[in-house]
Amino acid sequence: DAGVTQSPTHLIKTRGQQVTLRCSPKSGHDTVSWYQQALGQGPQFIFQYYEEEERQRGNFPDRFSGHQFPNYSSELNVNALLLGDSALYLCASSFSRGETQYFGPGTRLLVL
Amino acid sequence: AQTVTQSQPEMSVQEAETVTLSCTYDTSESDYYLFWYKQPPSRQMILVIRQEAYKQQNATENRFSVNFQKAAKSFSLKISDSQLGDAAMYFCACHMYSGGGADGLTFGKGTHLIIQP
Repeated sequence: DAGVTQSPTHLIKTRGQQVTLRCSPKSGHDTVSWYQQALGQGPQFIFQYYEEEERQRGNFPDRFSGHQFPNYSSELNVNALLLGDSALYLCASSFSRGETQYFGPGTRLLVL
Repeated sequence: AQTVTQSQPEMSVQEAETVTLSCTYDTSESDYYLFWYKQPPSRQMILVIRQEAYKQQNATENRFSVNFQKAAKSFSLKISDSQLGDAAMYFCACHMYSGGGADGLTFGKGTHLIIQP
């Protein structure tokens, strides 16, 4: 039973560029949530996708957008990268927008 | 808005001893869930234990148990017989329902647990 997977594991970008991160949910899960974890902090909720739509959103600007595909996998896109976007980006999956979320290993993004 | 507070940035315990990590939260909702997650240096967030707010009985998972005090909005994690593999960052998180589905998790800032051999 495959757990949540994310790609890539690490990424280096420069300011102003755009980045796409990918996530495949745990088998049987249909809901994907994305979190940003700055160094030394707890994760911050970005948004949640269910039935290919953004259902809930945290306090993040429109530069952060996403997509969910029919196979439930998801992408996180960040435009016009800022130095402050450097963080660990975590994807979590759950079943039918349930409360128990299982996390992937994360993507470490460094913006120079 | 809900908030989660972990007042202990770091805790240290001798191997085989018991340690308790503290967490307080604030939410106006009556239907919510509480979680403890563990994040080792590998950075994968691992679910340790969960507690439904409507249940009075404290959750237990092997060596891990919680002390859930709903009126005080307190949710502490007790680790018994600490092992070297328990060393990690521990995050307390709250999850509430709204708009027909579950919101994202709200996390505390974490407690770094050190296990002394």
